[in-house]
Amino acid sequence: GAGVSQTPSNKVTEKGKYVELRCDPISGHTALYWYRQSLGQGPEFLIYFQGTGAADDSGLPNDRFFAVRPEGSVSTLKIQRTERGDSAVYLCASSRFTSSSTDTQYFGPGTRLTVL
Amino acid sequence: AQSVTQLGSHVSVSEGALVLLRCNYSSSVPPYLFWYVQYPNQGLQLLLKYTTGATLVKGINGFEAEFKKSETSFHLTKPSAHMSDAAEYFCAVSEAAGNKLTFGGGTRVLVKP
Repeated sequence: GAGVSQTPSNKVTEKGKYVELRCDPISGHTALYWYRQSLGQGPEFLIYFQGTGAADDSGLPNDRFFAVRPEGSVSTLKIQRTERGDSAVYLCASSRFTSSSTDTQYFGPGTRLTVL
Repeated sequence: AQSVTQLGSHVSVSEGALVLLRCNYSSSVPPYLFWYVQYPNQGLQLLLKYTTGATLVKGINGFEAEFKKSETSFHLTKPSAHMSDAAEYFCAVSEAAGNKLTFGGGTRVLVKP
C-alpha cells in the first residue's frame, strides 16, 4: 500500500512568514510523529499524536511551533514567524501503535524548509 | 533521558570489505534499539530492530546488529560491502514500544570500488 506522504516536498519562505507542512500517514496507523533533521544531524523528535490528541509535545522548540491532527489521520505542522534557524528537513512518521514491542515507525520523504 | 552516540560521522570501506558502524546508547530503562538507513533524497528506512529476546538481530540487505547490554552498544555490521550500501545510517533508541525515537548523529558510508 501507499507509504507516508508529505507535502510540499520543498518550501522556501521568507523570515517572519507563516508555513504549514502536511503529513498523510499510512492508512490505519493511529500514531503519528514529527521530527526535524538539520543539516548534518540526526532527526530530532518534535511531537507525537495518538489519534487526535498530542500524546507528547516535549520536542517542540517554542510556541511558534504547533501541530494538529483533527480527524486522527492527516496532520499539519504549523510554524509562525519563521526564523532562518527553522531551516531543516521536517520528517513525518506513522505507526500502528498496538503497544506491541514490534511496533515500527515508517517515515515519509520529508519536507525541506528553507527560510531566507 | 536517552542519548545515542555514533562513532565516526564518515566511514569509507572497499567493496567486499566488512562494514562496521558503531552505536552506543544511554537509557534509564531497557531500551528498544533501531538502525535506519537513509539513501539520498529518500526517507528513513528501517534496517533492523531489537526489542526483546535474541540479542543478535538480522535485518534487510545482509545487515545485522548485536545488542550488548554490558557495553550499552548496538553495533551494525555487514560482512561484505556492496556499492548500493552507500548511504547514511542512523542508530536510534526508544524507551517504550511506540514511543518517540532518539537518534544518533548518523554515519555516512562511502563504498569504494
